[in-house]
Amino acid sequence: QKEVEQDPGPLSVPEGAIVSLNCTYSNSAFQYFMWYRQYSRKGPELLMYTYSSGNKEDGRFTAQVDKSSKYISLFIRDSQPSDSATYLCAMISGYALNFGKGTSLLVTP
Amino acid sequence: DTAVSQTPKYLVTQMGNDKSIKCEQNLGHDTMYWYKQDSKKFLKIMFSYNNKELIINETVPNRFSPKSPDKAHLNLHINSLELGDSAVYFCASSPRDRGLWGYTFGSGTRLTVV
Repeated sequence: QKEVEQDPGPLSVPEGAIVSLNCTYSNSAFQYFMWYRQYSRKGPELLMYTYSSGNKEDGRFTAQVDKSSKYISLFIRDSQPSDSATYLCAMISGYALNFGKGTSLLVTP
Repeated sequence: DTAVSQTPKYLVTQMGNDKSIKCEQNLGHDTMYWYKQDSKKFLKIMFSYNNKELIINETVPNRFSPKSPDKAHLNLHINSLELGDSAVYFCASSPRDRGLWGYTFGSGTRLTVV
């Protein structure tokens, strides 16, 4: 079992929909949780960063961490075609980030 | 522009060849990384250097050798290339070790071994 599991999708939604992206993890030592966005043929870019359980909001994006369930989520409100990308969750382990496989999201106009 | 830049962007080469990928960051970051992204988009750490010192060396074949001449550069040399080495290789940097403040990634080098 990989330490970080993420459904690869693809996920297709109409413009304006609320998107929910999720990851589960097995290592209870993880404390820092991040979401990266990767456009096609580009490097990943950091979207949001959270520590421990709870919610964090940034504009249309909300990151949620539930350490008791080892489950993290990213919600995108009022999704736009420009949100079409692959979204990767990542968690700190030692000196490196452990990434999920990424969920491919397509927002159609 | 402040960034992490990798060269080349594309590399097509034959099995058995030796090739290098270069990475430079002008962000003043202390730590640099090489990640490999396979055809299924899975990003996996290969190496990490903190101030020119190797701090992560994951289980990768000995044919892969990183070199950090200074804090701003981390190059990747690959000997005797194999078909399975085909992937996108990403360089990244972070201001501290452990990547707690997030990585800045380069745009990737797409390596195809034929």
